[in-house]
Amino acid sequence: RKEVEQDPGPFNVPEGATVAFNCTYSNSASQSFFWYRQDCRKEPKLLMSVYSSGNEDGRFTAQLNRASQYISLLIRDSKLSDSATYLCVVNTGFQKLVFGTGTRLLVSP
Amino acid sequence: GAGVSQSPSNKVTEKGKDVELRCDPISGHTALYWYRQSLGQGLEFLIYFQGNSAPDKSGLPSDRFSAERTGGSVSTLTIQRTQQEDSAVYLCASTTGPSGGNTQYFGPGTRLTVL
Repeated sequence: RKEVEQDPGPFNVPEGATVAFNCTYSNSASQSFFWYRQDCRKEPKLLMSVYSSGNEDGRFTAQLNRASQYISLLIRDSKLSDSATYLCVVNTGFQKLVFGTGTRLLVSP
Repeated sequence: GAGVSQSPSNKVTEKGKDVELRCDPISGHTALYWYRQSLGQGLEFLIYFQGNSAPDKSGLPSDRFSAERTGGSVSTLTIQRTQQEDSAVYLCASTTGPSGGNTQYFGPGTRLTVL
């Protein structure tokens, strides 16, 4: 089983739609969690950290469920510019981040 | 300020040749990571440097791969006797310290093609 698993997609949604991605992780001792965004042929960039209490940044909401070991990302009012691959990232406590393979989102006009 | 830089941006080499990839982290960042990303795959951890501590080499796929970090700044990843399966994008990232809660800032990567 992979340490971090994501549905690769692609998720095809129209502009203005709400879309949600889930990610599961296998190491129950994992300490911190992130969503990174990666545009085509570009480097990953931090989108947001994920806190136990859940957190929101504009149209983006991240949730963590430690009991079920999953993380979610909700994007509201999708924009064309949201088209990218979203990487679920987990810190397992050894100063290393484990990256999921990413979920690809395509927002169409 | 300047971000993480990597060179070369693209490298094409022949099977069996050695290559060196360079990473210049953000000034003041003590932690430096190397990853590789094959087509359609996630990021694969290769090696981690933190300050003057011994590097964590647990992700290096074979003894053909090595890396060093001189003076706590610039890092070089060396791949000896390259194989076609080494073709990938090699990404470097730096952060201010142990990555528990710190953002990793990535360079643009080096796209390596082994013919």
